[in-house]
Amino acid sequence: SQKIEQNSEALNIQEGKTATLTCNYTNYSPAYLQWYRQDPGRGPVFLLLIRENEKEKRKERLKVTFDTTLKQSLFHITASQPADSATYLCALRGSTLGRLYFGRGTQLTVWP
Amino acid sequence: SAVISQKPSRDICQRGTSLTIQCQVDSQVTMMFWYRQQPGQSLTLIATANQGSEATYESGFVIDKFPISRPNLTFSTLTVSNMSPEDSSIYLCSVDFASGTGREETQYFGPGTRLLVL
Repeated sequence: SQKIEQNSEALNIQEGKTATLTCNYTNYSPAYLQWYRQDPGRGPVFLLLIRENEKEKRKERLKVTFDTTLKQSLFHITASQPADSATYLCALRGSTLGRLYFGRGTQLTVWP
Repeated sequence: SAVISQKPSRDICQRGTSLTIQCQVDSQVTMMFWYRQQPGQSLTLIATANQGSEATYESGFVIDKFPISRPNLTFSTLTVSNMSPEDSSIYLCSVDFASGTGREETQYFGPGTRLLVL
């Protein structure tokens, strides 16, 4: 079955630095890879989607890369702020519509 | 983004009772999903609910324990039956939006229902 691993359970960085989160997967060939933000006790909030034929996507301070050969996605937050502190989830899906497979998430803390 | 609401937002229940969670979406959608997120864990899909057909359950989840209704294209309910402390979790509904709907083609989540079973 598919397996999704996010680099670490927790990442602590200083404000202003770039946070880089990793998502690796095996036994799967996703057509789409998505990143969500989740705050404690709340539902995930969609951030970015990248397709298998896209290498990179940007949205404001966020950047996602997708390497289908390495089976890896990198999620970057530049000029990080304390308000970026949350858990970030990587999710895969094999088609346009349908279920998502989630990683366990990386808890990011940005300290002043 | 989609407006998805869930009721209740949280509840504390006694062992052996049942709780029905409601999910309302601000526009018509074909596919709705119910996920569970246990403490410290990632999201696990319980079932997919399409309007006009029986829900499709994932391995480890059964209709008797988690009956689902999908009476129309904007609403669904999930019931957690005969609850035990192991059912303490956040329950989330989500919907897919396809291209041409004015929203990005992805899955959006409700705010979740936090359930504690004593």
